[in-house]
Amino acid sequence: AQSVTQLGSHVSVSEGALVLLRCNYSSSVPPYLFWYVQYPNQGLQLLLKYTSAATLVKGINGFEAEFKKSETSFHLTKPSAHMSDAAEYFCAVSEGAGGTSYGKLTFGQGTILTVHP
Amino acid sequence: EAGVTQSPTHLIKTRGQQATLRCSPISGHTSVYWYQQALGLGLQFLLWYDEGEERNRGNFPPRFSGRQFPNYSSELNVNALELEDSALYLCASSLGQGAHGYTFGSGTRLTVV
Repeated sequence: AQSVTQLGSHVSVSEGALVLLRCNYSSSVPPYLFWYVQYPNQGLQLLLKYTSAATLVKGINGFEAEFKKSETSFHLTKPSAHMSDAAEYFCAVSEGAGGTSYGKLTFGQGTILTVHP
Repeated sequence: EAGVTQSPTHLIKTRGQQATLRCSPISGHTSVYWYQQALGLGLQFLLWYDEGEERNRGNFPPRFSGRQFPNYSSELNVNALELEDSALYLCASSLGQGAHGYTFGSGTRLTVV
Protein backbone atom coordinates (compact mmCIF):
# COMPACT_ATOMS: atom_id res chain seq x y z
CA ALA A 1 0.00 0.00 0.00
CA GLN A 2 1.20 3.48 -0.75
CA SER A 3 1.49 6.19 1.86
CA VAL A 4 2.77 9.74 2.18
CA THR A 5 4.28 11.43 5.21
CA GLN A 6 4.73 15.17 5.38
CA LEU A 7 7.06 16.16 8.19
CA GLY A 8 5.75 19.20 10.00
CA SER A 9 2.12 20.21 9.91
CA HIS A 10 3.16 23.87 10.21
CA VAL A 11 6.22 25.60 8.77
CA SER A 12 6.97 29.28 9.36
CA VAL A 13 9.53 31.27 7.39
CA SER A 14 10.43 34.91 6.91
CA GLU A 15 9.82 36.61 3.60
CA GLY A 16 12.88 36.04 1.40
CA ALA A 17 13.98 32.92 3.28
CA LEU A 18 14.30 29.41 1.89
CA VAL A 19 11.17 27.30 1.90
CA LEU A 20 11.62 23.56 2.51
CA LEU A 21 8.60 21.30 2.85
CA ARG A 22 9.37 17.65 3.43
CA CYS A 23 7.63 14.65 1.90
CA ASN A 24 8.45 10.98 2.17
CA TYR A 25 6.50 8.26 0.42
CA SER A 26 6.19 4.54 0.31
CA SER A 27 5.17 2.71 -2.82
CA SER A 28 5.61 -0.82 -4.08
CA VAL A 29 6.16 0.34 -7.65
CA PRO A 30 7.80 3.41 -9.22
CA PRO A 31 5.48 6.22 -8.25
CA TYR A 32 4.11 9.35 -9.75
CA LEU A 33 4.56 12.17 -7.24
CA PHE A 34 2.80 15.50 -7.00
CA TRP A 35 2.78 18.67 -4.96
CA TYR A 36 -0.43 20.66 -4.72
CA VAL A 37 -1.18 23.99 -3.04
CA GLN A 38 -4.50 24.96 -1.50
CA TYR A 39 -5.46 28.51 -0.65
CA PRO A 40 -8.28 29.10 1.84
CA ASN A 41 -11.70 28.05 0.58
CA GLN A 42 -10.29 26.94 -2.76
CA GLY A 43 -9.51 23.70 -4.53
CA LEU A 44 -6.07 22.21 -5.14
CA GLN A 45 -3.65 23.71 -7.64
CA LEU A 46 -0.92 21.56 -9.13
CA LEU A 47 2.54 22.95 -8.39
CA LEU A 48 4.63 20.24 -10.02
CA LYS A 49 4.76 16.54 -10.80
CA TYR A 50 7.30 13.74 -11.13
CA THR A 51 6.44 11.01 -13.60
CA SER A 52 9.76 9.16 -14.02
CA ALA A 53 11.53 11.70 -16.18
CA ALA A 54 14.08 14.15 -14.72
CA THR A 55 14.54 13.76 -10.98
CA LEU A 56 14.67 17.55 -10.42
CA VAL A 57 11.28 18.94 -11.28
CA LYS A 58 10.53 22.61 -11.70
CA GLY A 59 7.04 23.88 -11.10
CA ILE A 60 5.08 27.07 -11.03
CA ASN A 61 5.75 30.10 -8.83
CA GLY A 62 9.45 29.28 -8.43
CA PHE A 63 8.95 25.96 -6.65
CA GLU A 64 10.95 22.84 -7.41
CA ALA A 65 11.25 19.33 -5.99
CA GLU A 66 13.80 16.57 -6.24
CA PHE A 67 12.90 12.89 -6.43
CA LYS A 68 15.37 10.82 -4.42
CA LYS A 69 14.60 7.13 -4.77
CA SER A 70 17.22 6.04 -2.21
CA GLU A 71 15.61 8.27 0.41
CA THR A 72 12.02 7.80 -0.84
CA SER A 73 11.68 11.56 -0.64
CA PHE A 74 10.20 14.32 -2.75
CA HIS A 75 10.88 17.53 -0.83
CA LEU A 76 9.54 20.85 -2.09
CA THR A 77 11.77 23.93 -2.09
CA LYS A 78 11.69 27.57 -3.06
CA PRO A 79 14.78 29.77 -2.69
CA SER A 80 12.98 32.89 -1.54
CA ALA A 81 9.57 32.93 0.14
CA HIS A 82 6.96 35.49 -0.79
CA MET A 83 3.96 36.53 1.27
CA SER A 84 1.70 35.10 -1.43
CA ASP A 85 3.17 31.62 -0.80
CA ALA A 86 1.26 31.34 2.48
CA ALA A 87 -1.09 28.40 1.97
CA GLU A 88 -1.45 24.69 2.69
CA TYR A 89 0.72 22.32 0.67
CA PHE A 90 -0.04 18.69 -0.05
CA CYS A 91 2.29 15.98 -1.30
CA ALA A 92 0.59 13.09 -3.12
CA VAL A 93 1.57 9.78 -4.64
CA SER A 94 -0.04 7.70 -7.33
CA GLU A 95 1.30 4.27 -8.20
CA GLY A 96 2.24 4.61 -11.82
CA ALA A 97 3.22 1.15 -12.95
CA GLY A 98 3.07 0.87 -16.70
CA GLY A 99 1.36 4.23 -17.07
CA THR A 100 -1.64 3.11 -15.03
CA SER A 101 -2.35 5.19 -11.97
CA TYR A 102 -5.40 3.31 -10.70
CA GLY A 103 -7.04 6.71 -10.34
CA LYS A 104 -6.13 7.08 -6.72
CA LEU A 105 -4.00 9.84 -5.29
CA THR A 106 -2.85 9.24 -1.75
CA PHE A 107 -2.25 12.53 0.01
CA GLY A 108 -0.10 13.52 2.92
CA GLN A 109 -1.72 15.35 5.80
CA GLY A 110 -0.64 18.72 4.50
CA THR A 111 1.76 21.42 5.67
CA ILE A 112 0.55 24.92 6.42
CA LEU A 113 3.16 27.46 5.35
CA THR A 114 3.19 30.81 7.11
CA VAL A 115 5.33 33.63 5.73
CA HIS A 116 6.29 36.47 8.07
CA PRO A 117 7.18 39.94 6.80
CA GLU B 1 -9.84 26.75 -21.47
CA ALA B 2 -12.40 26.21 -18.75
CA GLY B 3 -11.16 24.32 -15.72
CA VAL B 4 -12.96 21.69 -13.68
CA THR B 5 -16.27 23.16 -12.57
CA GLN B 6 -18.28 21.99 -9.59
CA SER B 7 -21.77 22.87 -8.47
CA PRO B 8 -23.18 23.95 -6.19
CA THR B 9 -20.48 25.83 -4.33
CA HIS B 10 -22.25 25.37 -1.02
CA LEU B 11 -24.94 22.91 0.00
CA ILE B 12 -26.76 22.67 3.31
CA LYS B 13 -28.77 19.54 4.02
CA THR B 14 -30.52 17.98 6.96
CA ARG B 15 -29.39 14.67 8.43
CA GLY B 16 -31.05 11.79 6.59
CA GLN B 17 -31.53 13.70 3.34
CA GLN B 18 -29.76 13.07 0.03
CA ALA B 19 -27.19 15.34 -1.57
CA THR B 20 -26.21 15.51 -5.23
CA LEU B 21 -22.97 17.15 -6.27
CA ARG B 22 -21.98 17.79 -9.87
CA CYS B 23 -18.69 18.04 -11.72
CA SER B 24 -17.73 18.97 -15.27
CA PRO B 25 -14.21 17.94 -16.28
CA ILE B 26 -11.81 19.80 -18.51
CA SER B 27 -12.70 19.32 -22.15
CA GLY B 28 -10.97 16.19 -23.44
CA HIS B 29 -10.50 14.61 -20.01
CA THR B 30 -12.24 11.28 -19.71
CA SER B 31 -11.44 10.45 -16.08
CA VAL B 32 -13.19 12.04 -13.12
CA TYR B 33 -12.23 11.56 -9.48
CA TRP B 34 -13.99 12.49 -6.27
CA TYR B 35 -12.27 13.25 -2.97
CA GLN B 36 -13.56 14.18 0.46
CA GLN B 37 -11.69 16.74 2.55
CA ALA B 38 -13.11 16.59 6.03
CA LEU B 39 -11.74 18.57 8.94
CA GLY B 40 -9.08 16.56 10.70
CA LEU B 41 -9.25 13.67 8.23
CA GLY B 42 -7.31 15.08 5.30
CA LEU B 43 -8.01 14.28 1.67
CA GLN B 44 -9.61 10.88 1.14
CA PHE B 45 -10.19 9.19 -2.22
CA LEU B 46 -13.85 8.43 -2.90
CA LEU B 47 -14.45 7.33 -6.48
CA TRP B 48 -12.87 7.17 -9.93
CA TYR B 49 -14.88 7.13 -13.15
CA ASP B 50 -13.41 6.60 -16.58
CA GLU B 51 -15.30 6.26 -19.85
CA GLY B 52 -18.56 5.98 -17.97
CA GLU B 53 -17.47 3.14 -15.71
CA GLU B 54 -16.58 3.08 -12.02
CA ARG B 55 -12.92 2.02 -11.98
CA ASN B 56 -11.97 2.29 -8.33
CA ARG B 57 -13.60 3.07 -5.03
CA GLY B 58 -12.25 4.27 -1.73
CA ASN B 59 -13.13 3.02 1.71
CA PHE B 60 -16.56 4.64 1.95
CA PRO B 61 -19.98 3.09 2.62
CA PRO B 62 -22.34 2.29 -0.28
CA ARG B 63 -24.48 5.34 0.44
CA PHE B 64 -21.74 7.23 -1.39
CA SER B 65 -22.33 6.60 -5.07
CA GLY B 66 -22.07 8.33 -8.37
CA ARG B 67 -22.07 8.08 -12.09
CA GLN B 68 -20.41 9.47 -15.16
CA PHE B 69 -22.42 10.67 -18.12
CA PRO B 70 -21.61 10.27 -21.84
CA ASN B 71 -20.23 13.82 -21.90
CA TYR B 72 -17.83 12.75 -19.06
CA SER B 73 -19.47 14.97 -16.45
CA SER B 74 -20.16 13.28 -13.16
CA GLU B 75 -22.50 13.26 -10.19
CA LEU B 76 -21.73 12.26 -6.64
CA ASN B 77 -24.72 11.20 -4.58
CA VAL B 78 -24.68 10.86 -0.83
CA ASN B 79 -27.74 9.18 0.66
CA ALA B 80 -28.91 9.13 4.26
CA LEU B 81 -26.68 12.05 5.18
CA GLU B 82 -24.89 11.96 8.50
CA LEU B 83 -23.34 14.87 10.36
CA GLU B 84 -19.84 13.54 9.70
CA ASP B 85 -20.44 13.81 5.94
CA SER B 86 -19.92 17.56 6.32
CA ALA B 87 -16.81 18.28 4.26
CA LEU B 88 -15.39 19.88 1.16
CA TYR B 89 -15.93 17.53 -1.78
CA LEU B 90 -13.38 17.96 -4.52
CA CYS B 91 -13.65 16.73 -8.06
CA ALA B 92 -10.63 16.25 -10.31
CA SER B 93 -10.19 15.25 -13.91
CA SER B 94 -7.29 13.88 -15.89
CA LEU B 95 -6.21 13.04 -19.39
CA GLY B 96 -5.86 9.30 -19.43
CA GLN B 97 -5.16 7.80 -16.03
CA GLY B 98 -3.35 10.55 -14.24
CA ALA B 99 0.23 10.39 -15.50
CA HIS B 100 -0.10 14.00 -16.62
CA GLY B 101 -1.52 15.14 -13.33
CA TYR B 102 -4.94 15.76 -11.96
CA THR B 103 -6.76 19.11 -12.24
CA PHE B 104 -9.03 19.90 -9.32
CA GLY B 105 -12.14 22.00 -9.11
CA SER B 106 -12.87 24.46 -6.33
CA GLY B 107 -15.10 22.04 -4.51
CA THR B 108 -18.56 21.83 -3.00
CA ARG B 109 -18.84 22.62 0.69
CA LEU B 110 -21.48 20.24 2.09
CA THR B 111 -22.85 21.03 5.52
CA VAL B 112 -25.15 18.54 7.22
CA VAL B 113 -27.23 19.93 10.08
